[in-house]
Amino acid sequence: QKEVEQNSGPLSVPEGAIASLNCTYSDRGSQSFFWYRQYSGKSPELIMSIYSNGDKEDGRFTAQLNKASQYVSLLIRDSQPSDSATYLCAVNDGYSGYALNFGKGTSLLVTP
Amino acid sequence: DVKVTQSSRYLVKRTGEKVFLECVQDMDHENMFWYRQDPGLGLRLIYFSYDVKMKEKGDIPEGYSVSREKKERFSLILESASTNQTSMYLCASSFFPGNEQFFGPGTRLTVL
Repeated sequence: QKEVEQNSGPLSVPEGAIASLNCTYSDRGSQSFFWYRQYSGKSPELIMSIYSNGDKEDGRFTAQLNKASQYVSLLIRDSQPSDSATYLCAVNDGYSGYALNFGKGTSLLVTP
Repeated sequence: DVKVTQSSRYLVKRTGEKVFLECVQDMDHENMFWYRQDPGLGLRLIYFSYDVKMKEKGDIPEGYSVSREKKERFSLILESASTNQTSMYLCASSFFPGNEQFFGPGTRLTVL
């Protein structure tokens, strides 16, 4: 069973704080990892991709990958109310080679 | 910018009707995907296609079929719509297998 696990939340953080979102996956063959942001009623929007162990930074976002622990995380610095959304973790499916396996998402609420 | 468009944002159909959902991408992507998204269940893959006229079943293909006659267009067909197919349907495309996917705006289908 290919599983991608995320806490459903909601995760509530005050404006300006760091939000930390976590994801674990079961498929050891996975090589590609993605974070999507989804606003209510909208479609998922890609915000970060990471392929190698370590950290990858893009503006206020940092993705962290640890393949040995099968763990990927997303840090959002200086959180803004506009960051309030559901964040989906996605991992490539090592079996089919084509698809992504998605977690059910973590709801983030940034309070002013 | 990658653009994925879907034929309708909202659609209301009656039980037993044949329903066509269309998706078009303008970035010459090889791979296209159809998902449905339901509260508490996350994104679930219905079908995907890795080339013209090629298709593969995803996790929940029952009650659905697909067609890909041209590279840029991927259609999802509900042969005989049922109320349990009321959902948000999302189309996505990717250039490389197992790589980042880009989503269309989604079609919210209601079957009465």
